[in-house]
Amino acid sequence: AQTVTQSQPEMSVQEAETVTLSCTYDTSENNYYLFWYKQPPSRQMILVIRQEAYKQQNATENRFSVNFQKAAKSFSLKISDSQLGDTAMYFCAFVGGSSNTGKLIFGQGTTLQVKP
Amino acid sequence: NAGVTQTPKFRILKIGQSMTLQCTQDMNHNYMYWYRQDPGMGLKLIYYSVGAGITDKGEVPNGYNVSRSTTEDFPLRLELAAPSQTSVYFCASRSREGYGYTFGSGTRLTVV
Repeated sequence: AQTVTQSQPEMSVQEAETVTLSCTYDTSENNYYLFWYKQPPSRQMILVIRQEAYKQQNATENRFSVNFQKAAKSFSLKISDSQLGDTAMYFCAFVGGSSNTGKLIFGQGTTLQVKP
Repeated sequence: NAGVTQTPKFRILKIGQSMTLQCTQDMNHNYMYWYRQDPGMGLKLIYYSVGAGITDKGEVPNGYNVSRSTTEDFPLRLELAAPSQTSVYFCASRSREGYGYTFGSGTRLTVV
């Protein structure tokens, strides 16, 4: 069975500094998609970044970037120049590329607090 | 373009009552999903549908039922509500071709 593990329940960072959130996953598939979602107190699920496993280049979206290590099955999120608005719960998620159902599998989440 | 619309946003139920959580999407997405999120936890899949008339169980289906009579609507039915069903419920959809998921804003349900 495919699983996603986030081993850091809570993290904090000072404003303007950099923080890295960890995610590992388990799958026997070769092609798949990985996601980081942000959930602020409003509860809305907001896509932060997406990585396709067949792409070796790490995805980047402005201050957000990932370190995708396919062999190690690791998918960490780096937030640079942290802002107070980055305070939220962050979820790592996986979907198999061969899946005909598209079921997203989520990690347990990491609560990030950005301190002024 | 409204995306995925969930109603209601909040609801308090008494033990044993029933209710339906509504979910509608206007993007003509084939795939739709219901997740629940317990406090401080990740999202767990309750039920999903790959198209009108087709539904299947996810990880935590007990105590719930769904139907998918149209592409747009995917209601979630709670029968005989229990305190263990206190949670936040999210509906999501996705097109068949892409991997862009759209989430609703969630329904916070409390069973007392």
